Amino acid sequence: ETGVTQTPRHLVMGMTNKKSLKCEQHLGHNAMYWYKQSAKKPLELMFVYNFKEQTENNSVPSRFSPECPNSSHLFLHLHTLQPEDSALYLCASSQPGTGAGEQYFGPGTRLTVT
Amino acid sequence: TQLLEQSPQFLSIQEGENLTVYCNSSSVFSSLQWYRQEPGEGPVLLVTVVTGGEVKKLKRLTFQFGDARKDSSLHITAAQPGDTGLYLCAGDGENNQGGKLIFGQGTELSVKP
Repeated sequence: ETGVTQTPRHLVMGMTNKKSLKCEQHLGHNAMYWYKQSAKKPLELMFVYNFKEQTENNSVPSRFSPECPNSSHLFLHLHTLQPEDSALYLCASSQPGTGAGEQYFGPGTRLTVT
Repeated sequence: TQLLEQSPQFLSIQEGENLTVYCNSSSVFSSLQWYRQEPGEGPVLLVTVVTGGEVKKLKRLTFQFGDARKDSSLHITAAQPGDTGLYLCAGDGENNQGGKLIFGQGTELSVKP
C-alpha cells in the first residue's frame, strides 16, 4: 500500500449504531487530520494530530471521537450519529516542519446515517 | 480569521476552451496549494506555490501566485473532459501552527466533449 488509505470506503449506519473509520498513512508523516466534506460546503477540519497528540478539535460534537495510537494510524469512532452527519470523511497526513504544509489525502469514507 | 474565496464556484465549458479559476484573500499566505478532487475520491495535490509572483506549469495547467501572496489563479488551456472535477485552493497561513490549511470552497469544473 502506498499513500493514505481509508477503510471502509462506504458505510451505512443507523443512528444508534457504533462504528469506526480507519486511516493509515504510509508516507512517514507525523501529522494526521480528519475532515468532513458535505455537499456544496467547503472542507471542514475536524481534528489534527501532531506526533500522536491532538492539537486541534474544531468544536466537533462528542459523538465523534478520534484516536491516534501511533503516527501512522488514525481512527474516528462514531456513535449515536445524526442524519446531518452523512458526508464524505477524509483523512490526510503531512510532515510538520518540512515543505509548505502539503497534505496528502486518502480516498475518503462515504458515510450515510439513516 | 483567514479566508480564501474561490471563483467561479461552478464552470461548465466545451472541450477545447480555456478557463481561469481564482483564489483570493485579504490575508497573506506563506504558501498556497491547488488540489483536484474527482467524485467519491480524496483531493489530489497538483502544485504548491511559495514565492510571490511565482508561475508553475503542469502540462496544460498554469498556476500563478500573486505578488503579495494573497491570491492565486489556475489557468487551463484547451480543457479536456478528463479535467472535470472539483478544484480546491488551500493556504498555509504566515503564522500557522500545527500544519492547518485554510481551504477555499472549491470550483466545480465540467468539461463536455
